[in-house]
Amino acid sequence: GEDVEQSLFLSVREGDSSVINCTYTDSSSTYLYWYKQEPGAGLQLLTYIFSNMDMKQDQRLTVLLNKKDKHLSLRIADTQTGDSAIYFCAVKGAGNNRKLIWGLGTSLAVNP
Amino acid sequence: EAQVTQNPRYLITVTGKKLTVTCSQNMNHEYMSWYRQDPGLGLRQIYYSMNVEVTDKGDVPEGYKVSRKEKRNFPLILESPSPNQTSLYFCASSFWWTEDNEKLFFGSGTQLSVL
Repeated sequence: GEDVEQSLFLSVREGDSSVINCTYTDSSSTYLYWYKQEPGAGLQLLTYIFSNMDMKQDQRLTVLLNKKDKHLSLRIADTQTGDSAIYFCAVKGAGNNRKLIWGLGTSLAVNP
Repeated sequence: EAQVTQNPRYLITVTGKKLTVTCSQNMNHEYMSWYRQDPGLGLRQIYYSMNVEVTDKGDVPEGYKVSRKEKRNFPLILESPSPNQTSLYFCASSFWWTEDNEKLFFGSGTQLSVL
């Protein structure tokens, strides 16, 4: 079946940039998402990119998409302690049921 | 405030005792879905609904039921809970055929323990 993979942990210093990576297998993916889950909370959409785009920037967030390598990354500039959370990569295929294929999440720890 | 509300937040029950986890959204979303989140397995979809009276199975529907009698509500029913249904459950919703249909709104989660 289709798969989305992410590294499980990332640790950075406050003020540095964080880069969270994701690879996926479904070449027909239309939308690719980054969701954030803070402790004890539900997931919230951070940003998403359509498959015909290479890059999307939104304030401190930069999403890069390499369709050839099926690689998605999320860069967080000037990482703050409030960015500590689990970040999920999710990919929407070509079907209509709104089904997303989720990665297992990358736990980002920001050290002061 | 736009939100998805799940209740209860925490639930401890015993094997075989029927329970219902409620989910309600105030955004007039057509699409609603239930997920379970387990360590090492990530998020898995249980059931989803594309509109009132329209529901379908996700990846792990066994042991669960849902109903969608009203647009705002999408309860998850465990008729005879078992310990392997101990998990963190999330309800989510979104619009269907608008520009916002790519944004899923999640509830805060229900931590269920079945003893």
